[in-house]
Amino acid sequence: KAGVTQTPRYLIKTRGQQVTLSCSPISGHRSVSWYQQTPGQGLQFLFEYFSETQRNKGNFPGRFSGRQFSNSRSEMNVSTLELGDSALYLCASSLEDSTEAFFGQGTRLTVV
Amino acid sequence: GDSVTQMEGPVTLSEEAFLTINCTYTATGYPSLFWYVQYPGEGLQLLLKATKADDKGSNKGFEATYRKETTSFHLEKGSVQVSDSAVYFCALTLWTGNQFYFGTGTSLTVIP
Repeated sequence: KAGVTQTPRYLIKTRGQQVTLSCSPISGHRSVSWYQQTPGQGLQFLFEYFSETQRNKGNFPGRFSGRQFSNSRSEMNVSTLELGDSALYLCASSLEDSTEAFFGQGTRLTVV
Repeated sequence: GDSVTQMEGPVTLSEEAFLTINCTYTATGYPSLFWYVQYPGEGLQLLLKATKADDKGSNKGFEATYRKETTSFHLEKGSVQVSDSAVYFCALTLWTGNQFYFGTGTSLTVIP
């Protein structure tokens, strides 16, 4: 059974650009959530999607957005990149009625 | 609000030593509690979990007991190995969605 797949694994972008990250959940998992991990702030919740609807959102500016497709794959977008957006972005998926989340390996975004 | 407080690191132990990593939580409801482990360059892997008071989660020699009276979920292992070197995160979630609240992480290094 394939795990959570995040692409790309590494990205380098310039300040002011935008970026799109992709997450393919485990087959059958309809809940997908996103986290930002930085040395200073640790792991912070960005948002969660279920059946193509955003169910929950963390405390991040509107430059951070996401969406989920009918096959449960999810993307997150960050516009007008700032140096502080450099982080490891983790995606997690879970079954509808489970508290257990499975994480991908993450996308390492570097903003220069 | 909901939060997790985790023992500060880094922790360095000799092989076969006893490990304890403290974790306490604050929650508005009845959370499920988790320990995740992160190896260098990787995402998070679920180590163990407990969903209600007095439950004991265990895996790979690691154990943690959900203590409602002390709002704690301390991680223990009787004899650590070099391969246990990683960063350990305590986390809680309050519902079946994927919004986890994470501790700051404790880096463990085990030396031969």
